[in-house]
Amino acid sequence: SQQGEEDPQALSIQEGENATMNCSYKTSINNLQWYRQNSGRGLVHLILIRSNEREKHSGRLRVTLDTSKKSSSLLITASRAADTASYFCATGIGETSGSRLTFGEGTQLTVNP
Amino acid sequence: DADVTQTPRNRITKTGKRIMLECSQTKGHDRMYWYRQDPGLGLQLIYYSFDVKDINKGEISDGYSVSRQAQAKFSLSLESAIPNQTALYFCATSGTRGEAFFGQGTRLTVV
Repeated sequence: SQQGEEDPQALSIQEGENATMNCSYKTSINNLQWYRQNSGRGLVHLILIRSNEREKHSGRLRVTLDTSKKSSSLLITASRAADTASYFCATGIGETSGSRLTFGEGTQLTVNP
Repeated sequence: DADVTQTPRNRITKTGKRIMLECSQTKGHDRMYWYRQDPGLGLQLIYYSFDVKDINKGEISDGYSVSRQAQAKFSLSLESAIPNQTALYFCATSGTRGEAFFGQGTRLTVV
């Protein structure tokens, strides 16, 4: 079974708008990560937030983590057509950081020019 | 050259055949993983390995086996392929920081 669940499953916005994707998970984690996948290609790591962190930024990306609610959000600001992709959250579970990564089913983001 | 290389990139095989997917990495990571992705879905963990002597089953290991030949090499075998194993297969590695690096995937079709 999938550890993480993303919401929404699909999101369509205009260029320049912000995109927010949410992830909920079930068990205790060491860290939570977000990945991007262009159609049929390998996943690319975007950002990692540790269980003792609440917010992290990387360029136009902002990730929050609420361990009490077992949820995370990914915000992409000032979106571009090139941001069109599937976005997955992954939870790191195990004895050491990121020992085993479990993925959600993803959010398909479409940014219209 | 890619940090994580999967071969073959595409494969069509017949039901009942044994097939091996290979993965090699130049990241120097100890941890390696095999995932399966079905159309429109997330990744499911098949097997993972923390070092050459360590192999662990993931969520969907039935029908699959793996071999960790060296730190840099991790292969996935389908002993007797069946049509519902048609999927996109990804190999990944991770180091102590936790982030994973993925290969470009192997598209496997079982007819």
